[in-house]
Amino acid sequence: DTGVSQDPRHKITKRGQNVTFRCDPISEHNRLYWYRQTLGQGPEFLTYFQNEAQLEKSRLLSDRFSAERPKGSFSTLEIQRTEQGDSAMYLCASRGGQGWNEQFFGPGTRLTVL
Amino acid sequence: AQTVTQSQPEMSVQEAETVTLSCTYDTSESDYYLFWYKQPPSRQMILVIRQEAYKQQNATENRFSVNFQKAAKSFSLKISDSQLGDAAMYFCAYRNGGTASKLTFGTGTRLQVTL
Repeated sequence: DTGVSQDPRHKITKRGQNVTFRCDPISEHNRLYWYRQTLGQGPEFLTYFQNEAQLEKSRLLSDRFSAERPKGSFSTLEIQRTEQGDSAMYLCASRGGQGWNEQFFGPGTRLTVL
Repeated sequence: AQTVTQSQPEMSVQEAETVTLSCTYDTSESDYYLFWYKQPPSRQMILVIRQEAYKQQNATENRFSVNFQKAAKSFSLKISDSQLGDAAMYFCAYRNGGTASKLTFGTGTRLQVTL
C-alpha cells in the first residue's frame, strides 16, 4: 500500500494525558499537512510541513500541540494535557510537486478524550 | 481569509438520477483552485474533481461535473446517473495558488442515494 498511513486509527485517553499520533506520507511527497475534523464539520487546517520545515501553523494549534517531521519523511503530532475539546478525527495529508497537485489523505486517527 | 459555504447539510437522490450539490466561496485572490472531496462512512477522503480558477471551462470527470461561476463565486457539483456507491459526505474545498497552500473546507453535504 503506497497511500498515506496513520497510526493509531483510534485512541481513547483520559483528560490530562499526553497522546502522540504518527503519519507516514506517500514516499515521494515533500509536503505534509495536519487537519482536525470534528463531528459534522469539515476538516480544519492545523499545520504544514515542507520537507522537515514547519512552514505554517494555524491559530487552532495551541501551545499544547506540537508537530514534527524530523527527517522530512514521517510526522508526529503530540497533544499534551488533553482536554475533552480535543476529541476529534486528526487527518494527515501529503502532496508532492508543484501546481495543483492534490492532497492525498490518510484514514485519520480518531481521538476520544474521556 | 477565505471561506467556503455549503448550505445543504443533506441531500437525497434516487439511483440513476442527477443531483447537484452547492458551494459558494469567498476570496480576494485571483489564483486559486477549487475541489470536491468525497468522504465515505469510515473511509478516507478522496478527490472527486478539481477546477483551476483561471480555466473558464467547467471540469468533468466521468459522471461528475462542476458548474464554476467565478464572478458569483459559486462552484456546484453535479452527479449524473447516481449510484449507491456515491453515498457519502461531500466537501467543497478551496486552495490558494501558492506552492504551500492548505485546503479550506466547507461543512459538507451528506448525500443519500435511494433505490
